[in-house]
Amino acid sequence: GAVVSQHPSRVICKSGTSVKIECRSLDFQATTMFWYRQFPKQSLMLMATSNEGSKATYEQGVEKDKFLINHASLTLSTLTVTSAHPEDSSFYICSARVATYEQYFGPGTRLTVT
Amino acid sequence: AQSVTQPDIHITVSEGASLELRCNYSYGATPYLFWYVQSPGQGLQLLLKYFSGDTLVQGIKGFEAEFKRSQSSFNLRKPSVHWSDAAEYFCAVGATLPNSGYALNFGKGTSLLVTP
Repeated sequence: GAVVSQHPSRVICKSGTSVKIECRSLDFQATTMFWYRQFPKQSLMLMATSNEGSKATYEQGVEKDKFLINHASLTLSTLTVTSAHPEDSSFYICSARVATYEQYFGPGTRLTVT
Repeated sequence: AQSVTQPDIHITVSEGASLELRCNYSYGATPYLFWYVQSPGQGLQLLLKYFSGDTLVQGIKGFEAEFKRSQSSFNLRKPSVHWSDAAEYFCAVGATLPNSGYALNFGKGTSLLVTP
């Protein structure tokens, strides 16, 4: 089946710094990828949709200047959390669309901002 | 908008017992429905999906789900639970969102605990 990877799996950064998370489709091309945020014991919240070669579309309430998304190739999307603060600490999950509503999910990235 | 509700936040079952996790959807037409499982600190794994056709869907790991239009439900079942099934289970529905287009709306999840 389709495999989606994320790197890093865990990252700790200091407040005020930026951190980049990579999402790769390993054995298929993904025109569309999604970025989710998940708080402990809660469901996934869609942050944005990443389309190869165009600007990402953000869900309401998500700061596009804080969460920069780039989808420069058909196998790679990146999420950069800029000027991170402790409240940005969370579990970030990406997925890649393989059909209209079907998505394969990455293993997630645990971000801790100190 | 298309949405799903998972009424049970936590469920505890004994190993070897049967399991049913509830999911209700809100959508006028035939929805695209999914069940995912998430182990702690991991991403989501697709268990099964329903688009059309046979309303009883077989998935991986011995799970099945039944689409019941009259009850707007898509409950997940397993006849005999194993300790390794302890995880978080999410029901999801295909949705058309204003910003993101074709996407998934997730329920709040059901946490399954399996006791010896």
